[in-house]
Amino acid sequence: AQKITQTQPGMFVQEKEAVTLDCTYDTSDPSYGLFWYKQPSSGEMIFLIYQGSYDQQNATEGRYSLNFQKARKSANLVISASQLGDSAMYFCAMREGPRAGNNRKLIWGLGTSLAVNP
Amino acid sequence: DGGITQSPKYLFRKEGQNVTLSCEQNLNHDAMYWYRQDPGQGLRLIYYSQIVNDFQKGDIAEGYSVSREKKESFPLTVTSAQKNPTAFYLCASSIVGASSYNEQFFGPGTRLTVL
Repeated sequence: AQKITQTQPGMFVQEKEAVTLDCTYDTSDPSYGLFWYKQPSSGEMIFLIYQGSYDQQNATEGRYSLNFQKARKSANLVISASQLGDSAMYFCAMREGPRAGNNRKLIWGLGTSLAVNP
Repeated sequence: DGGITQSPKYLFRKEGQNVTLSCEQNLNHDAMYWYRQDPGQGLRLIYYSQIVNDFQKGDIAEGYSVSREKKESFPLTVTSAQKNPTAFYLCASSIVGASSYNEQFFGPGTRLTVL
């Protein structure tokens, strides 16, 4: 079974509008972390935002926010006021276990391709 | 500027040849990682290292080898035993510990094509 599922292979959004990229995860570990990365056409992966399983509030970083619904095991990325430069692949990833633990491995989703239209 | 460098950006290799991909970081990170990415796919972990002179196999280590003789460097060798080596290879590094998110920082990648 997939541990990270991104159900939207491709998304379109109009410039200046908000868009939500879906991510659901599956783990039995009570301690975990969720990451979102952006991959432009150049190929480099850029870290966007992090949510820990015990964090009380949803993470926010500038125009990025994470809609964390623990009971539903979802961690959707919300991009507000889309810009042309937001066109890229977006990946959701999960670390099982606590930050200070020995597990360094991330489990990756297959990604969502976002195109921002002018 | 701190960061991760990978070289070369594009690499062509004849079938049956070994090739080594370079990865260097000046972020003073303890952990380093190698990933493989195929078209339309997520990242798959090849090898990772949390400390100098130690490394662990990831999910797809067969046909690859690594070394970690220095903190800054984590070269990946793609051997002739790797059946389908054409792919995009990404190197990453991270802090180890509870004081950060342990997010991984990535290099620009190397695109390997086997002719």
